[in-house]
Amino acid sequence: SQTIHQWPATLVQPVGSPLSLECTVEGTSNPNLYWYRQAAGRGLQLLFYSVGIGQISSEVPQNLSASRPQDRQFILSSKKLLLSDSGFYLCAWSVLAGGVGTQYFGPGTRLTVL
Amino acid sequence: TQLLEQSPQFLSIQEGENLTVYCNSSSVFSSLQWYRQEPGEGPVLLVTVVTGGEVKKLKRLTFQFGDARKDSSLHITAAQPGDTGLYLCAGPINNTDKLIFGTGTRLQVFP
Repeated sequence: SQTIHQWPATLVQPVGSPLSLECTVEGTSNPNLYWYRQAAGRGLQLLFYSVGIGQISSEVPQNLSASRPQDRQFILSSKKLLLSDSGFYLCAWSVLAGGVGTQYFGPGTRLTVL
Repeated sequence: TQLLEQSPQFLSIQEGENLTVYCNSSSVFSSLQWYRQEPGEGPVLLVTVVTGGEVKKLKRLTFQFGDARKDSSLHITAAQPGDTGLYLCAGPINNTDKLIFGTGTRLQVFP
């Protein structure tokens, strides 16, 4: 069965510090991968989308970047964090079935920038 | 630009009550999905509706896709504390496998 891992679960970082969040998927090959950010109690904002190794689509202008060094590894990074980068970050992978995509989410990382 | 607006934003009810959550858009979607998210966790898919007018039932949850495929509703019968969570609708962006998520409805069911 497929599983998705994210770490760390929580992170508190000072403004101006770097960031690296990691997401790995097991049990599937060549998945589409996604990074989302969620404000407290609200919907999800798509940040990055990847269809394969080294292929990254940025969905919104921001202070963050993403990389996919391996088929099932997706990394979210920043060189210098801003206060506005605080939030709940979710990684997801998807599979198409009957023409409809279903996304499976990781447990998330709660990032607080102070 | 595709947008999905959910209402109400918050809902606080007693165990045993019925409720309906709405997901509306001015855009037509090829399908809509409903997810439930518990605090500190990722969303989990509940259902996908693909045909205009379609009704799907999942135990006490009834999902409907509007005839024009611009809206959907989630009705919960006899709500239980275990139904507590954030309910999110989502639809494909321009018929890709990327999703746009609704604004969310936070449901609290008190025993």
